[in-house]
Amino acid sequence: DGGITQSPKYLFRKEGQNVTLSCEQNLNHDAMYWYRQDPGQGLRLIYYSQIVNDFQKGDIAEGYSVSREKKESFPLTVTSAQKNPTAFYLCASSIWGSDEQYFGPGTRLTVT
Amino acid sequence: KQEVTQIPAALSVPEGENLALNCSFTDSAIYNLQWFRQDPGKGLTSLLLIQSSQREQTSGRLNASLDKSSGRSTLYIAASQPGDSATYLCAVLTGTASKLTFGTGTRLQVTL
Repeated sequence: DGGITQSPKYLFRKEGQNVTLSCEQNLNHDAMYWYRQDPGQGLRLIYYSQIVNDFQKGDIAEGYSVSREKKESFPLTVTSAQKNPTAFYLCASSIWGSDEQYFGPGTRLTVT
Repeated sequence: KQEVTQIPAALSVPEGENLALNCSFTDSAIYNLQWFRQDPGKGLTSLLLIQSSQREQTSGRLNASLDKSSGRSTLYIAASQPGDSATYLCAVLTGTASKLTFGTGTRLQVTL
């Protein structure tokens, strides 16, 4: 089955801890994206990557970091510098230059 | 800066009704517009993608129109069913880097 997987589905952390969210795709897509979704708000772009070993900041990158060492994987680290980390995080991928993004099932992060 | 608005925020209709969900955007220089469906706690499923040169797209009971000059799109759902209950998001692709700007969504409930 081709698709995007995100793990875990639910994640709980204490304030002050860094946490890494996993995103893997087997669609052979070049580009990958991380979005954040808060209740009553649209998705907001955190980071995106067009190719391996390259990534760009989105609209709300502060307090987050990413890496893109493999085409299939684009992990997101939520650092302790992120002031309001509790949210639903969605990963997406696309063929670079293509119009359509495909989304994973999401990870709900709760920080207390 | 592109802004996307969806009205109403929530809508409840009886089964069998035809309905329209609205999306408006401030910058008409878009490459395309996408409609997504999101079930509670899940990722996004792409429903329809309309290129900027197109006026509408159809898939089954779904039809989406695009009026780029006025910055509007409408998603029509014919003969609504309880299984259509979900949040519907529109997103526009503008600028480089395949960056999508999302609306806040319309939460649809179709009642028996």
